[in-house]
Amino acid sequence: GAVVSQHPSWVICKSGTSVKIECRSLDFQATTMFWYRQFPKQSLMLMATSNEGSKATYEQGVEKDKFLINHASLTLSTLTVTSAHPEDSSFYICSATEPRLNQPQHFGDGTRLSIL
Amino acid sequence: QQQVKQSPQSLIVQKGGISIINCAYENTAFDYFPWYQQFPGKGPALLIAIRPDVSEKKEGRFTISFNKSAKQFSLHIMDSQPGDSATYFCAASMGTGRRALTFGSGTRLQVQP
Repeated sequence: GAVVSQHPSWVICKSGTSVKIECRSLDFQATTMFWYRQFPKQSLMLMATSNEGSKATYEQGVEKDKFLINHASLTLSTLTVTSAHPEDSSFYICSATEPRLNQPQHFGDGTRLSIL
Repeated sequence: QQQVKQSPQSLIVQKGGISIINCAYENTAFDYFPWYQQFPGKGPALLIAIRPDVSEKKEGRFTISFNKSAKQFSLHIMDSQPGDSATYFCAASMGTGRRALTFGSGTRLQVQP
């Protein structure tokens, strides 16, 4: 089945640094990928929709200068948390879908980001 | 505005019992309703999904019941096992794939041996 890989799975860094998270579709090309954020014991909240070759679409309340998304190829989208602060600590999850009709979204295993 | 409401928040079921999780939606434009299972530290995994043109879909021990007029759908897990202990999320979207999912708040299921 379709596989989505995220890297890294866990990152700890100091406040003020920038962190890049990669999301790859391993066996299919994904023109659209999604980035979600999940706080402990809460649901997934959509942050942005990443479209290959164009600018990402951000949800209301998500700072696009804070969360930079790049979807430069059909198999890779990246999320960069710039100048991260402790309140940015969360579980970040990406998803992608195969280009064929009526295909479900497949999720990566998430990246746990801890900002000290 | 929460567009998909999920209940209960947590559920404890004995091994072999039936687990039932309910969701209700507001947006009548939704036409795809998946259920996801999530284990701690992992991403959600698709369990089963349904479209509003059918009232029920069964895959193994998992069944979705769908009531279009009431704008409600539910997940039934038959013969619940300890390995089913996880958090379950209902979701909805307008079409599969390229449309983002709106998730319910999640249900933490614990199946006691």
